Amino acid sequence: QLQLQESGPGLVNPSETLSLTCTVSGGSISDSGYFWGWIRQTPGTRPEWIGTTHYTGGETYYNPSLKSRLTMSVDMSKNQFSLRLSSVTAADTAVYSCARQLGADRWAMDVWGQGTTVTVSS
Amino acid sequence: QSALTQPPSVSGSPGQSVTISCTGTSSDVRTYNRISWYQQSPGTAPRLIIFAVSDRPSGVPDRFSGSKSGNTASLTISGLRAEDEADYYCSSYISSMSTLVFGGGTRLTVL
Repeated sequence: QLQLQESGPGLVNPSETLSLTCTVSGGSISDSGYFWGWIRQTPGTRPEWIGTTHYTGGETYYNPSLKSRLTMSVDMSKNQFSLRLSSVTAADTAVYSCARQLGADRWAMDVWGQGTTVTVSS
Repeated sequence: QSALTQPPSVSGSPGQSVTISCTGTSSDVRTYNRISWYQQSPGTAPRLIIFAVSDRPSGVPDRFSGSKSGNTASLTISGLRAEDEADYYCSSYISSMSTLVFGGGTRLTVL
């Protein structure tokens, strides 16, 4: 059974870089046809898509509102993918979740991590 | 105005059916089959219950069904159960925005 687990600091200083890693277990990040994404959500609000990437790194899609600050990467040797969001502000405080996406054109996330809370504060 | 609009709340009694709508402001909902629906209970990650407008992932009961007419997608839950009480979100990739967008969410209350 595929499982995803987010890891990273729960507290980040304003203006610094938020870095999170998602570890995939029970399956391979290189499984055919799947993409891997990040979504964040604050309590009482709708989820916000951050970005999606393929394990080859050849196809990566970023939310335009975050693109200038965002980098996603994949480490096949560790079966992980990662998120780096620079110059964070309090507005980046949220629960960050990683997820598996069903293919490039379906844009549906079928397996989710439990989410990790990131607070931006000094 | 949100790219995907849902009613804030719906309710129904056990055994009844309810339908939640998701209306797009662009033509993407009409043109593409990229609509997904998620169920989210408090403190948990969203759970995919419908993708590609009407397909169900393995393990999702057939009480959940999806459809689309024009620029409005719909999620129907039949035979309501207390455990269905949750927030429901639609989503779609909106080409004009180059973004995967979620609707504002609908709170389902089982009376």
